[in-house]
Amino acid sequence: GAVVSQHPSRVICKSGTSVKIECRSLDFQATTMFWYRQFPKKSLMLMATSNEGSKATYEQGVEKDKFLINHASLTLSTLTVTSAHPEDSSFYICSARPAGDREVTEAFFGQGTRLTVV
Amino acid sequence: AQKITQTQPGMFVQEKEAVTLDCTYDTSDPSYGLFWYKQPSSGEMIFLIYQGSYDQQNATEGRYSLNFQKARKSANLVISASQLGDSAMYFCAMREGYTNAGKSTFGDGTTLTVKP
Repeated sequence: GAVVSQHPSRVICKSGTSVKIECRSLDFQATTMFWYRQFPKKSLMLMATSNEGSKATYEQGVEKDKFLINHASLTLSTLTVTSAHPEDSSFYICSARPAGDREVTEAFFGQGTRLTVV
Repeated sequence: AQKITQTQPGMFVQEKEAVTLDCTYDTSDPSYGLFWYKQPSSGEMIFLIYQGSYDQQNATEGRYSLNFQKARKSANLVISASQLGDSAMYFCAMREGYTNAGKSTFGDGTTLTVKP
């Protein structure tokens, strides 16, 4: 089946630094990717929708300048957490869907990135 | 606005028995898709089963079946012959519309524990 690769799986960074997380669709083209944040034992909260070649669409309450999203190609989207603070520590996970206007029966997720800001 | 409700924070089931995880949803969009995912402690999201709003029959995938009751707006997941490896968190999700651009809304999840 289709594979989405997310890197890194774990990262520890110092407060004030920036961290980039990559989400790649390995065997299909994804015009749309989604970025989620998940707190321990909680639901996935959609942060933003990443569209190839255009600006991301952020959900209400998500700081655009803090969570920079770039979707430069049909197989890669990146999330950069800028000036990270301990409250940004969380599990971030991306999902991607194959391109094409058709019924989608499955969404593919990356393995997730556990970010710890110290 | 869409909403997904999973009312069971935690469930226990004996190995080899069947278990039903509840999910109700609310939407005004006639076109939508319903998903169930499994999230083990490793964190990865594993797709289990899908039901489209226009599908006439309940979806089945191996030991997983989705009990789709459209009038009641429920989409319960049934796992037959539970295995120890089924212990995980399970999420019900709904996607707006019928294309790949629709956003998905997730329920709060149910933690399933399979007892030997």
